[in-house]
Amino acid sequence: SQTIHQWPATLVQPVGSPLSLECTVEGTSNPNLYWYRQAAGRGLQLLFYSVGIGQISSEVPQNLSASRPQDRQFILSSKKLLLSDSGFYLCAWSATHRGQIGYTFGSGTRLTVV
Amino acid sequence: AQSVTQLGSHVSVSEGALVLLRCNYSSSVPPYLFWYVQYPNQGLQLLLKYTTGATLVKGINGFEAEFKKSETSFHLTKPSAHMSDAAEYFCAVSPTGNQFYFGTGTSLTVIP
Repeated sequence: SQTIHQWPATLVQPVGSPLSLECTVEGTSNPNLYWYRQAAGRGLQLLFYSVGIGQISSEVPQNLSASRPQDRQFILSSKKLLLSDSGFYLCAWSATHRGQIGYTFGSGTRLTVV
Repeated sequence: AQSVTQLGSHVSVSEGALVLLRCNYSSSVPPYLFWYVQYPNQGLQLLLKYTTGATLVKGINGFEAEFKKSETSFHLTKPSAHMSDAAEYFCAVSPTGNQFYFGTGTSLTVIP
């Protein structure tokens, strides 16, 4: 069965420090991968999505970047964190074949920038 | 363009009462429709989905939703609320099954 791992679960970082959040998927190949951010009391904001290795689409201009060095690995990064980067970050994957429709989410990372 | 509207960012119901969470969407083609639930500090968990076939969809934890094409709605219901149903609920639409568009969420409070 397919599983998605996201870590760390919580992170407290000072302003100006770098960030690296990692997400890996098991049990499937060539998944579509997504990074979402959920600010306090707000909905889900799609940050990045990827349909293949090295293929990254950005939905919102921001202080963050994403990379997909391997088929089932998706990394969210920042060189210098801002206070406004605080939030709950969710990784998700979806199958590329139409027989399986839907997102599966990771357990999320609570990022607090201080 | 796709959009999802969840009426009511906060809904409160008494334990044992009917739960009704509303979702309307705009889509140029019949989309795939989803409801997700999120408990505090956790990821989103799929409650149910409509892809094709029967328009009344049953999900986990006693929830169900009905796809009404004429009303472009996919409201979520549960006959009797339980304390454990308190959570954030998200409606989502996907025209292709890949990229999703989420509503802003509805926070459900269950009053004992």
